Amino acid sequence: ETGVTQTPRHLVMGMTNKKSLKCEQHLGHNAMYWYKQSAKKPLELMFVYNFKEQTENNSVPSRFSPECPNSSHLFLHLHTLQPEDSALYLCASSQVDRDTKKLFFGSGTQLSVL
Amino acid sequence: AQTVTQSQPEMSVQEAETVTLSCTYDTSESDYYLFWYKQPPSRQMILVIRQEAYKQQNATENRFSVNFQKAAKSFSLKISDSQLGDAAMYFCAYRGASKLTFGTGTRLQVTL
Repeated sequence: ETGVTQTPRHLVMGMTNKKSLKCEQHLGHNAMYWYKQSAKKPLELMFVYNFKEQTENNSVPSRFSPECPNSSHLFLHLHTLQPEDSALYLCASSQVDRDTKKLFFGSGTQLSVL
Repeated sequence: AQTVTQSQPEMSVQEAETVTLSCTYDTSESDYYLFWYKQPPSRQMILVIRQEAYKQQNATENRFSVNFQKAAKSFSLKISDSQLGDAAMYFCAYRGASKLTFGTGTRLQVTL
């Protein structure tokens, strides 16, 4: 039990496909995050949700669309992606009103765009 | 903007030996946190150790300890009695008033 579960673990999609990444946290946290991890680059924060409200969008292209229906679930909807979007997408969660400094991560979805 | 630099893309250590991973950062903030995360082949980022900038005492977690030099903006990780399970990518991270900023990582190999 990792606390933060991401599905699918691997995803291969064409540039015209539409797919979604799912994240679920079982830790009772109230903030969730999407990060992009590319080879030899620092992790890039994409989106932040606090109490289901999006509080940060770091200039992410509109082909990435996040959704947070409740504080336990986070989705990343993908459409018309580019090959350079191939990366590991990591979800994380934290408790905002207790210790915002500590993030708990899932195992990521390895995305390949053909 | 804050930046985190890890100048060692790869490191190698023999089992039972000690290794130190380097990290430097740049910030104008006085209150912040520093972290070391481990990412094994399972890909899950696991928090190894955390240091609050206002604390002078270096953080320690079992075989893991840090050397925090605030004036030099340096935050190195020392792994003692290295084990095969320590093989992973290690990321240094900084958190001030805004988002968590990561370095590019150091891949640690542990040899017999």
